[in-house]
Amino acid sequence: DIQLTQSPSFLSGSEGDRVTITCRASEGISSYLAWYQRKPGKAPKLLIYAASTLQSGVPSRFSGSGSGTEFTLTISSLQPEDFATYYCQQVKTHPLTFGGGTKVEIK
Amino acid sequence: EVQLVESGGGLVQPGGSLRLSCAASGFTFSRFGMSWVRLAPGKGLEWVSSVSGVTTYYADSVKGRFTISRDNSRNTMYLQMNSLRAEDTAVYYCAKAPPAHDSLMDVWGQGTTVTVSS
Repeated sequence: DIQLTQSPSFLSGSEGDRVTITCRASEGISSYLAWYQRKPGKAPKLLIYAASTLQSGVPSRFSGSGSGTEFTLTISSLQPEDFATYYCQQVKTHPLTFGGGTKVEIK
Repeated sequence: EVQLVESGGGLVQPGGSLRLSCAASGFTFSRFGMSWVRLAPGKGLEWVSSVSGVTTYYADSVKGRFTISRDNSRNTMYLQMNSLRAEDTAVYYCAKAPPAHDSLMDVWGQGTTVTVSS
């Protein structure tokens, strides 16, 4: 199975900060990576797929990059509504796997 | 509006069974892959199972115990869960795949809670 390791697991930021979350795969997955956002009590939301393609309706302050084994999710200017937990997911092969999550909290 | 509504969760004893349902509306259900994902207390998202056409996939942790199915005439997906264990306690979400990306999840339900406890 392909393991995904996210770092950091916890991130404290202020409004306007630029933040970056990393996701490392245990083997190469080309660009078969997605990012999701989950807020407490709400369903997860797809942000980015194919490593860098922004899902329709997602603000442009979110961006993704990477290929192979290392990927990043960047929020260029943290907004109050961005405080949530973020997960990466590999979609190259079954079993599908998620990273452990990165919780972004207000400093 | 595309909508997914899960039901069927509840409290069940270890070794028991439950069947979850996911009612879909607002899109042509039969054309899209569907998945179940769970979120256990204090843990991260865990993919459980997917159905793509007639092909089904399962996480190792549920293989042989859970069965995914769909009834396109009723626009509903199911997850039959047998031999339930305490570690199956979680909120279970159903999710729809976007076109041509059966392993992604672009629309999610609000979840149904399964608690396995004596």
